[in-house]
Amino acid sequence: NAGVTQTPKFRILKIGQSMTLQCTQDMNHNYMYWYRQDPGMGLKLIYYSVGAGITDKGEVPNGYNVSRSTTEDFPLRLELAAPSQTSVYFCASSPQGRTGELFFGEGSRLTVL
Amino acid sequence: GEDVEQSLFLSVREGDSSVINCTYTDSSSTYLYWYKQEPGAGLQLLTYIFSNMDMKQDQRLTVLLNKKDKHLSLRIADTQTGDSAIYFCAAAPDSSASKIIFGSGTRLSIRP
Repeated sequence: NAGVTQTPKFRILKIGQSMTLQCTQDMNHNYMYWYRQDPGMGLKLIYYSVGAGITDKGEVPNGYNVSRSTTEDFPLRLELAAPSQTSVYFCASSPQGRTGELFFGEGSRLTVL
Repeated sequence: GEDVEQSLFLSVREGDSSVINCTYTDSSSTYLYWYKQEPGAGLQLLTYIFSNMDMKQDQRLTVLLNKKDKHLSLRIADTQTGDSAIYFCAAAPDSSASKIIFGSGTRLSIRP
């Protein structure tokens, strides 16, 4: 099983550029999440989705957008990239009605210069 | 809101026991987790404990919960080089993963 797959693994952006981080999962999980991880900090929730067509803001949504057109895919869009968005981004999924266990992708390291 | 605190580093000798500590602030936290992050990888759930439990053991791992002090610990017996990783403590008021608050992680290094 592939689990949660994120692309790209690394990306360098210039200030003001836009890009989309892709996330797909093959576990048929209803719930999907985007986190960012800054050095020495815990993960912060950016956006999450409880099913296709439904998204909601997490703790740090500013500067990001998401969509959920299918159960499998949950892309994260960065508009007008800023140096403060330099971080490692993790996509995760979880099955409904379980213990809250999250299944993570390997992460995407983004640098904005 | 919930705040989860951990020390940033721990160094232990191979074969010794490692004890990673965590404190949380919200007494309504019901689900408490330990995640492991190996270099270049995403987090992986190691174990979890419900707030109505004091202890949970799973092979080399022992989780202790002191609800009165809001203190959670993870003990790894017979620590091996493969245990080198960052360990994240996390807490949530229910099974909704969107409400999970993560600590900043404890980097465990193993010395020979």
